[in-house]
Amino acid sequence: GAGVSQSPSNKVTEKGKDVELRCDPISGHTALYWYRQSLGQGLEFLIYFQGNSAPDKSGLPSDRFSAERTGGSVSTLTIQRTQQEDSAVYLCASSLGSTVFQPQHFGDGTRLSIL
Amino acid sequence: AQKITQTQPGMFVQEKEAVTLDCTYDTSDPSYGLFWYKQPSSGEMIFLIYQGSYDQQNATEGRYSLNFQKARKSANLVISASQLGDSAMYFCAMTDAGNNRKLIWGLGTSLAVNP
Repeated sequence: GAGVSQSPSNKVTEKGKDVELRCDPISGHTALYWYRQSLGQGLEFLIYFQGNSAPDKSGLPSDRFSAERTGGSVSTLTIQRTQQEDSAVYLCASSLGSTVFQPQHFGDGTRLSIL
Repeated sequence: AQKITQTQPGMFVQEKEAVTLDCTYDTSDPSYGLFWYKQPSSGEMIFLIYQGSYDQQNATEGRYSLNFQKARKSANLVISASQLGDSAMYFCAMTDAGNNRKLIWGLGTSLAVNP
């Protein structure tokens, strides 16, 4: 597709379950980013990938969060043993990555609700 | 520490009028980038405009312009000839000094365009 694609668009799960969120970036974009947006808040940086490597994982809130990217394309964000405070919209973005100031293009996000 | 401040939680403007959304930032890094994004109720983050700290001229993109006042550390977004479709949240963001792939975000301004 032309834009960043995220799935699922909505996810409701019980506390303690694991969830996996998927992001398919714009074709040719080497940089990929994950953010979290809680209700009424700005975006919180989680992690970014350049190719398949993640130089900066400092934004991951805890060791329950992990992310990977394969083939320089699709990325998955996994949250293990979900907690209610994990409820948020998880946004993925991609950029050309050829220069550091390339704008990031976002997907529609995954709205995660933990019961 | 770096910070983005958007002091206007909500703004109203009459259709066809211009509106300015405020953004001030704090950084000690001489090289940085400033971005504005729009987030409609659908949730997607839409890139609007970018200003580099060394750019001599204010950035413009169609009806959007960025009033960059470096000494005051402000990067206000000006929307000319407002349209009903401009009603959305608007976020100001800047590159992180320690990792310029990472964006630091303000809390946003909600803009409502009245017919």
